[in-house]
Amino acid sequence: KAGVTQTPRYLIKTRGQQVTLSCSPISGHRSVSWYQQTPGQGLQFLFEYFSETQRNKGNFPGRFSGRQFSNSRSEMNVSTLELGDSALYLCASSLEPGGNTGELFFGEGSRLTVL
Amino acid sequence: GEDVEQSLFLSVREGDSSVINCTYTDSSSTYLYWYKQEPGAGLQLLTYIFSNMDMKQDQRLTVLLNKKDKHLSLRIADTQTGDSAIYFCAESISGYSGGGADGLTFGKGTHLIIQP
Repeated sequence: KAGVTQTPRYLIKTRGQQVTLSCSPISGHRSVSWYQQTPGQGLQFLFEYFSETQRNKGNFPGRFSGRQFSNSRSEMNVSTLELGDSALYLCASSLEPGGNTGELFFGEGSRLTVL
Repeated sequence: GEDVEQSLFLSVREGDSSVINCTYTDSSSTYLYWYKQEPGAGLQLLTYIFSNMDMKQDQRLTVLLNKKDKHLSLRIADTQTGDSAIYFCAESISGYSGGGADGLTFGKGTHLIIQP
């Protein structure tokens, strides 16, 4: 069974550009959540999607957005990139939100560098 | 609000047991997790415990939960060089495996250093 797949693994952008990151959850998982990891702030929750609907959102500006498709794949987008957006962006999948499995699996992440 | 705290570093000798500690503040936590992160990699789910349990064992890993003191620990028996990594404690609230209003709340991570 394939794990959580994130693409691209690495990318470099310049300030002001926008970026789209992709996440394919584990087969059968319908919930996808996104986290940002930086040395200073650690791991912070961005948002969670289930059945193509955003269920929860963390404390990030509106430049950060996402969506989920009918096949449960998810994308997140960051517009007008700032230097501080340089981070490892991690996607996690689980069977369902509110489920009682407690199992939340992460991908390898997409490492974004903003110059 | 919720906060998860961990020591930044732990150094142990190969073959000894490692005990990584974590404290959390939100009493409504439902799941508590341990993740492992190796350099340049994502987060690997090691184990998790439901808040109505006080212990869970899985091969070399033992999780102890003291709900009264809001203290969680991860014990790794017979620590090996391959256990060298950052270990994150995290809590989930509201019964959502993906987290409640704020997703999972993570600690800053404990760097486990193995001495030969």
